[in-house]
Amino acid sequence: DGGITQSPKYLFRKEGQNVTLSCEQNLNHDAMYWYRQDPGQGLRLIYYSQIVNDFQKGDIAEGYSVSREKKESFPLTVTSAQKNPTAFYLCASSGSGRAFSDEQFFGPGTRLTVL
Amino acid sequence: QQQVKQSPQSLIVQKGGIPIINCAYENTAFDYFPWYQQFPGKGPALLIAIRPDVSEKKEGRFTISFNKSAKQFSLHIMDSQPGDSATYFCAASRARYQLIWGAGTKLIIKP
Repeated sequence: DGGITQSPKYLFRKEGQNVTLSCEQNLNHDAMYWYRQDPGQGLRLIYYSQIVNDFQKGDIAEGYSVSREKKESFPLTVTSAQKNPTAFYLCASSGSGRAFSDEQFFGPGTRLTVL
Repeated sequence: QQQVKQSPQSLIVQKGGIPIINCAYENTAFDYFPWYQQFPGKGPALLIAIRPDVSEKKEGRFTISFNKSAKQFSLHIMDSQPGDSATYFCAASRARYQLIWGAGTKLIIKP
């Protein structure tokens, strides 16, 4: 059963703590993405990775960091430098390179609340 | 120039009606225009998409109308059903791997 998993579904953290959100895919996609979704706003791109060991900043990368050591995994760290981290975080994947596809497949999301 | 403006913010339609959601963009370099459907607590899923070389695309009850000169595109849902109640997002591709998203439309189909 191919898809994208994100864990946990809900995450609570104290202000000033770093937190890492997990994203795993078994779709054999090279490209992966992290988005932030706030009420009444569209999705905003945080980081994307076209291939293993490579990633680029999106529109709102400040206060976030990522790594891409494995094709299947693209974890996102929300650092204490992110001024307003409470949001719904979505991970996505797509084909890349020769197999590039505009269609992005999304995980179920992680709702992060910073207290 | 990098924005996609979506309207309305919310929409209530009777079952069987035809909800229409509109999006407008500025950048003529955008070359791919998808619509995504999102149910509460879930990630978005691609519904239908169009490229600027066609003016209309239909998939089942969903139709995209595209007006290149006006830089607008819209989603029509024929014979709408309560199960279509969801949030709909338009988007536009400014480059490979980079979608710009509208703010979303919360659609409610009343039985």
